[in-house]
Amino acid sequence: DAKTTQPNSMESNEEEPVHLPCNHSTISGTDYIHWYRQLPSQGPEYVIHGLTSNVNNRMASLAIAEDRKSSTLILHRATLRDAAVYYCIPRMDSSYKLIFGSGTRLLVRP
Amino acid sequence: GAGVSQTPSNKVTEKGKYVELRCDPISGHTALYWYRQSLGQGPEFLIYFQGTGAADDSGLPNDRFFAVRPEGSVSTLKIQRTERGDSAVYLCASSPGGLSYNEQFFGPGTRLTVL
Repeated sequence: DAKTTQPNSMESNEEEPVHLPCNHSTISGTDYIHWYRQLPSQGPEYVIHGLTSNVNNRMASLAIAEDRKSSTLILHRATLRDAAVYYCIPRMDSSYKLIFGSGTRLLVRP
Repeated sequence: GAGVSQTPSNKVTEKGKYVELRCDPISGHTALYWYRQSLGQGPEFLIYFQGTGAADDSGLPNDRFFAVRPEGSVSTLKIQRTERGDSAVYLCASSPGGLSYNEQFFGPGTRLTVL
């Protein structure tokens, strides 16, 4: 399984964009890149995933580097509710399990 | 619709006791997963069910841990002779299938405390 490196923590102001980086230099060609987040005292929740192209959904955007060795989760306008731990998870095409690292704790200041 | 539910939300037990943790997945989801999360760490995979069978139990730490899903819906995680090191939040998740791009839906977890 690919190893990931994420900052331990990041801070943002409310209403500002947030770029959460993830390094996954050992990713294989068929690994999807998943992002989950975990709000305090809750189970993780899916945010977004992609393979090669940049992806957008109602929650966030995912920018994937051309060599796929890194990706960035983009929250366009952070809200207080976005304060959570964000996990970047490369996931093998044949794998059913999520392997969580330590993630990035995002603090959003009002 | 209803999400994944887990009961109890909190369980306090004494060292050496037996505990059962229950997970009700989203209706129709064939895949079910158990994870364990220790304080300050990310969730750790325990076991994966596809239907009634455990397709991968490689994450179970030892033979004190066992999980069943007899009818392909509700699952129970069973821990025998609990130890203080078993204290953690036990998370259950389900998905429509096991394919890698399937989103997993997590329950709120059961916080287990072994005294």
